[in-house]
Amino acid sequence: EPEVTQTPSHQVTQMGQEVILRCVPISNHLYFYWYRQILGQKVEFLVSFYNNEISEKSEIFDDQFSVERPDGSNFTLKIRSTKLEDSAMYFCASSERGTPGYTQYFGPGTRLTVL
Amino acid sequence: ILNVEQSPQSLHVQEGDSTNFTCSFPSSNFYALHWYRWETAKSPEALFVMTLNGDEKKKGRISATLNTKEGYSYLYIKGSQPEDSATYLCASRPSGTYKYIFGTGTRLKVLA
Repeated sequence: EPEVTQTPSHQVTQMGQEVILRCVPISNHLYFYWYRQILGQKVEFLVSFYNNEISEKSEIFDDQFSVERPDGSNFTLKIRSTKLEDSAMYFCASSERGTPGYTQYFGPGTRLTVL
Repeated sequence: ILNVEQSPQSLHVQEGDSTNFTCSFPSSNFYALHWYRWETAKSPEALFVMTLNGDEKKKGRISATLNTKEGYSYLYIKGSQPEDSATYLCASRPSGTYKYIFGTGTRLKVLA
């Protein structure tokens, strides 16, 4: 069964460094999402992406964050200058369509630790 | 401010017991509700996508109902098994947005 994959599974970085989290969505899916979960808190929406554009972003998704679909298969989340509070589990998800009847499929997550 | 609440936060049941959890969400601007099953160290697994008031969905021993007018959804597990142990998440999507708002989840432990 097709699945969303994410790499790396765990990333440790120093505060102020740039990180890129990578996702490979399911191949025929058109809508892509990033979420994060800080330990002990709710899963939070970061951004949705369709047709090579951000379709919506949350207030968390400030200028330090960017997303890209560089090659038609990968979907990346870049954090330019990491802060301690960026430490979280980051999940990528994809869906075939953006209309509400379509399921979002999640990847296994990347645990980001900022020291 | 939109908020999605789930109850209970955690639950221990004996194998064979039936159980249910609640997801409460803002009823205004409702568009869709998703239920997920999330085992530790794995991806959240989609269980149900619900959009219509009165929707009832079933997948094996697990079923869900939706009341959009009062803003709640119930998830039922019939005859719980140890492999049902997981965190069950709901997420609501308001109309006019791609954003899904998650609850805190209900952690279920089924004791053999």
